[in-house]
Amino acid sequence: EAGVTQSPTHLIKTRGQQATLRCSPISGHTSVYWYQQALGLGLQFLLWYDEGEERNRGNFPPRFSGRQFPNYSSELNVNALELEDSALYLCASSHETGAHEQYFGPGTRLTVT
Amino acid sequence: QKEVEQNSGPLSVPEGAIASLNCTYSDRGSQSFFWYRQYSGKSPELIMSIYSNGDKEDGRFTAQLNKASQYVSLLIRDSQPSDSATYLCAVNSWGKLQFGAGTQVVVTP
Repeated sequence: EAGVTQSPTHLIKTRGQQATLRCSPISGHTSVYWYQQALGLGLQFLLWYDEGEERNRGNFPPRFSGRQFPNYSSELNVNALELEDSALYLCASSHETGAHEQYFGPGTRLTVT
Repeated sequence: QKEVEQNSGPLSVPEGAIASLNCTYSDRGSQSFFWYRQYSGKSPELIMSIYSNGDKEDGRFTAQLNKASQYVSLLIRDSQPSDSATYLCAVNSWGKLQFGAGTQVVVTP
């Protein structure tokens, strides 16, 4: 069974630009979660999508947004990039919504210069 | 107070010994708890989940949960050099995982 996949592996952007990160969940999983892991700050919850709807959102500004497509894949968009957005962005999926086990993809390393 | 707290370590463990990791959480409504292992430069890997009070064993790993004390622990028996990693405690709160800062474990030969 294929795991969660994310693209691109690395992304380098300039401050003020927009970044788009993509995630494909494990087959059969309908919930997708996005987390940010910045150096020294640990893993922080960003967004949760299930059945195409945003279910929960972490304490991040509105320039962090996303969506989930009918095939359950997801996209994270970060507008007006700031230097502190540099981090590893991790996508996870679970086969049921709510309290179930989440499996992580390999992540996208975003560097903002 | 952080929502999920762990000792940062590093926790140095001789090969073959038991590593004991602790985690406390603040949300009394949490119902599911997880341990992830993260190697340097890699993404977190789920190694244990626990939902009810008591112990849950899986191979060399044992997770323990005490909801009254808001405490979760992980024991790693017969520690191996390949167990050297950062272990993250995660608590599910309304669908999102709240992570501790992680405990770095170093298994010494």
